[in-house]
Amino acid sequence: GESVGLHLPTLSVQEGDNSIINCAYSNSASDYFIWYKQESGKGPQFIIDIRSNMDKRQGQRVTVLLNKTVKHLSLQIAATQPGDSAVYFCAEKGWGNNRLAFGKGNQVVVIP
Amino acid sequence: DVKVTQSSRYLVKRTGEKVFLECVQDMDHENMFWYRQDPGLGLRLIYFSYDVKMKEKGDIPEGYSVSREKKERFSLILESASTNQTSMYLCASSSGSDLNEKLFFGSGTQLSVL
Repeated sequence: GESVGLHLPTLSVQEGDNSIINCAYSNSASDYFIWYKQESGKGPQFIIDIRSNMDKRQGQRVTVLLNKTVKHLSLQIAATQPGDSAVYFCAEKGWGNNRLAFGKGNQVVVIP
Repeated sequence: DVKVTQSSRYLVKRTGEKVFLECVQDMDHENMFWYRQDPGLGLRLIYFSYDVKMKEKGDIPEGYSVSREKKERFSLILESASTNQTSMYLCASSSGSDLNEKLFFGSGTQLSVL
């Protein structure tokens, strides 16, 4: 099947800097995308989602950007804090009730 | 906020045992899911349910069964546990209109089969 993946396995960020986590997807028919954060020993926590009719969506300190031309999704975290240290993974869903396909995750380490 | 509660954080079982993993959600969600999460493999869907007493196979249902007798509760059953079922098991739920969108996850059950 189509795959969802992340470019970088580990991202080290200085506290206070902005973080950018990237995700490439291969299914051009995907119409829904979602980002999760998973801290050590916890379940995935919803961060933000976006539909394919949008290019950008903002939440609290987070922004998701969708570039359908190159099938690329990114999560930007503003003013990264130690509590942002976690694994972040994206997921995509094709049109209709197709299942979410999850990426394998990208570790973000915030350096105090 | 949605709360998805998994009854056990850690479980240790022996090969051949019957194992029950319980999950309860408090947001009246129609849809519930069981995933397993393994290093390097990401989240893989085992079973899901979109209504009471309804169940659908996910991508890796072999060796598992499920039960949805009440809307808020979704149980995962390992009929005869094997070592290759050692994993982190995650339960999730979503509202009716978002069958495969905006899943809310529990904290997970780390199962070790010896």
